[in-house]
Amino acid sequence: DADVTQTPRNRITKTGKRIMLECSQTKGHDRMYWYRQDPGLGLRLIYYSFDVKDINKGEISDGYSVSRQAQAKFSLSLESAIPNQTALYFCATRGDGLYGYTFGSGTRLTVV
Amino acid sequence: GDSVTQMEGPVTLSEEAFLTINCTYTATGYPSLFWYVQYPGEGLQLLLKATKADDKGSNKGFEATYRKETTSFHLEKGSVQVSDSAVYFCALMGGYQKVTFGIGTKLQVIP
Repeated sequence: DADVTQTPRNRITKTGKRIMLECSQTKGHDRMYWYRQDPGLGLRLIYYSFDVKDINKGEISDGYSVSRQAQAKFSLSLESAIPNQTALYFCATRGDGLYGYTFGSGTRLTVV
Repeated sequence: GDSVTQMEGPVTLSEEAFLTINCTYTATGYPSLFWYVQYPGEGLQLLLKATKADDKGSNKGFEATYRKETTSFHLEKGSVQVSDSAVYFCALMGGYQKVTFGIGTKLQVIP
């Protein structure tokens, strides 16, 4: 099994719909992150969580919300999807300290 | 704030050519530096890292040296293969362990 699992892998949804992207990890790390990838913009941080009770906004949190259901689970919701939220979404985790991220395989979301 | 600069590409090379992907950064203090690789249809994978000046990170034939005097962390490989075709991201970890990514450089290696 992958260290970080994201579901679904692909999703097409309509403008105005609510959608949830799910992420689970088996690394045992407390820190979890949601990023968005767009061509020419690289990765931008949406939300991050240092433990179950600690959730923080990233640089582009407007229009998104998150839930940390357990140490291993961190879900991202789009309350009312809009076309400019069409992007590739990545969940990641890492240990405390000077460690790199472990990323999931991504969810490709298209809002029509 | 912190920033990472790299060209978007694409960089196109023939197999067995020498690769350099430039990365420069702006940060306060002494950041840690990383290179990630993203193969088509996959998430990013950590390729190598360096945590202090003059450190050299290396992995899978790739290497990068942390140059504080030029604020650079250029990625190099002596002989690229078709299987190295991917997008390469430079990143830094600065204060409060905040990570900043570059925009990614697409590498295409042709046989």
